[in-house]
Amino acid sequence: EVQLLESGGGLVQPGGSLRLSCAASGFTFSSYAMSWVRQAPGKGLEWVSAISGSAGNTYYADSVKGRFTISRDNSKNTLYLQMHSLGAEDTAVYYCAKDRLGVPTGYFDYWGQGTLVTVSS
Amino acid sequence: QSVLTQPPSASGTPGQRVTISCSGSRSNIETNNVYWYQHLPGTAPKLLIFRNNQRPSGVPDRFSGSKSGTSASLAISELRSEDEADYYCATWDDSLSGVIFGGGTKLTVL
Repeated sequence: EVQLLESGGGLVQPGGSLRLSCAASGFTFSSYAMSWVRQAPGKGLEWVSAISGSAGNTYYADSVKGRFTISRDNSKNTLYLQMHSLGAEDTAVYYCAKDRLGVPTGYFDYWGQGTLVTVSS
Repeated sequence: QSVLTQPPSASGTPGQRVTISCSGSRSNIETNNVYWYQHLPGTAPKLLIFRNNQRPSGVPDRFSGSKSGTSASLAISELRSEDEADYYCATWDDSLSGVIFGGGTKLTVL
């Protein structure tokens, strides 16, 4: 059974940093691209970042480029999102999502339950 | 404002058929596959349609997808109360080099 379990969310002050993790199980982790998708309060889904299965390529939404870094440790079956210079606009539930292919396409066949990030003083 | 345009809301009565549109451009919908997701508050989004018109196992055949040119649509027939949710289209955008979602459509079953 495929499972994606996010962790690392919480309350952080504006300008602060946070690292999210997503522990994956039930599939060959290194074979699939992974993404982070977020939903701000009262807003729709927003794709944040993706990484290819081999970790050779990373992709970012313009809204987070230069502030967020996606990475993965295929030996630990874990996906990460390092977030810096956080602002109120980054307050959201962050979902980890598995792509159906080794490169990102938007074909997310499995999602985690999400972890809440709140940026506030 | 989303690159993919969806109506913010849609509604229907039980048993009716509703359609949700998703409008994009050459760099996204026209050249890449479209995916549809159902999202209930507090839960993980669920894949409804992949590769424009394919249903994952377990998704009822009441749900169907189509694509033509730079637009796609999701149709839900025989509407049921449990279909009340937010629906999103998504695809890859070649110009942005990223995944894009539509703004979402809130479906209300009257």
